Amino acid sequence: SQQGEEDPQALSIQEGENATMNCSYKTSINNLQWYRQNSGRGLVHLILIRSNEREKHSGRLRVTLDTSKKSSSLLITASRAADTASYFCATSGNTPLVFGKGTRLSVIA
Amino acid sequence: GAGVSQSPSNKVTEKGKDVELRCDPISGHTALYWYRQSLGQGLEFLIYFQGNSAPDKSGLPSDRFSAERTGGSVSTLTIQRTQQEDSAVYLCASSLGSLAGEYGYTFGSGTRLTVV
Repeated sequence: SQQGEEDPQALSIQEGENATMNCSYKTSINNLQWYRQNSGRGLVHLILIRSNEREKHSGRLRVTLDTSKKSSSLLITASRAADTASYFCATSGNTPLVFGKGTRLSVIA
Repeated sequence: GAGVSQSPSNKVTEKGKDVELRCDPISGHTALYWYRQSLGQGLEFLIYFQGNSAPDKSGLPSDRFSAERTGGSVSTLTIQRTQQEDSAVYLCASSLGSLAGEYGYTFGSGTRLTVV
């Protein structure tokens, strides 16, 4: 069974707006990672947040982690058309990464 | 190489035939993973190699699926007697670390397998 569940399944926003995607998981984790996938091919690693961290930034990305609620969020600020992609959270708990089904983000120019 | 290389990028095969998918990981990455992704779905874990240890085959969906990793580098995923439900994108990834997940994965571009 899949560990991470992203919400929403699909999100459509205007260029320049912020996009927020959420991820919930069930069991304890070592860390949580976010990936982007364009056109159904290879995934690109975006950011990793450890279980003892609460917030992390990378460029226009901001990730939060709440281990008490077993949830994480990915915020993309000032979105661009090039951000259009599917975004997956993945959890690590001494097993290979377990991926959710992803959020499909469409940024409209 | 600079990235994870997978071949072929696309493969169309007839039901019942065997196929081999190849993955060339980043040099120095000890861990190698195979996942598959059906249309519009998340990634399904298949198999994991770490160094010279025995692989974790717990995700292989049937005994028609097998994989090997030669010399701790190139890996081949073999599907025997392909079925239509095997149609998917097969993704290979490599990483520096162990299962603690302290490193991100680098993915190849995948092989799109279509069984007709």
